[in-house]
Amino acid sequence: EIVLTQSPATLSLSPGERATLSCGASQSISTIYLAWYQQKPGLAPRLLIYETSIRATGVPNRFSGSGAGTDFTLTISRLEPEDFAVYYCQQYSPSGTFGQGTKLEIK
Amino acid sequence: EVQLVESGGGLVKPGGSLRLSCAASGFTFSGYSMNWVRQAPGKGLEWVSSINSRSSFIYYADSVKGRFTISRDNAKSSLFLQMNSLRAEDTAVYYCARREGTGWSAAWGQGTRVTVSS
Repeated sequence: EIVLTQSPATLSLSPGERATLSCGASQSISTIYLAWYQQKPGLAPRLLIYETSIRATGVPNRFSGSGAGTDFTLTISRLEPEDFAVYYCQQYSPSGTFGQGTKLEIK
Repeated sequence: EVQLVESGGGLVKPGGSLRLSCAASGFTFSGYSMNWVRQAPGKGLEWVSSINSRSSFIYYADSVKGRFTISRDNAKSSLFLQMNSLRAEDTAVYYCARREGTGWSAAWGQGTRVTVSS
């Protein structure tokens, strides 16, 4: 079973700053099997990025994904107030395990 | 509009059973694989189970294998999760989600809450 480890657990930044969230896999994953989600309290997760780097419909272009093998990154170029939330990576081959999440909080 | 509506959650005693349902609308349900994902209070997302469109490929997380059964009724556009031998650690909000492409999920339900407590 592939284990995903996200870092940092909590990231404290200010609006306008750049955020870099990491997701490490216990074994190599094809780039077509890695996604990122955003979740706000009380709501279902929202798909941001799929297949490592493709933005989902309606996702602002300040969100970008990259990576390969065992190391993947979600970057938010300039933080907006609405971006402060919890972010999860997920691998979906063939199951669907999630990382433990990174909480992005306002500094 | 794609809609997924979960139901069937509630309070159940340890060792008890519960059957969750997910009613799908706004798309051709029989053409998609589906997931159940759960979230314990204050915790992260945990993938629970997946089923393909024809029910020929089914996967479970180790934490629920042998206790939970996923199924679907394409004629009724419905997804199910039969949960037996429930434990306190199964307490969570349970989401159904549509799998797309290579397996990501853009469409999610609002979740149904399951509480396992005596």
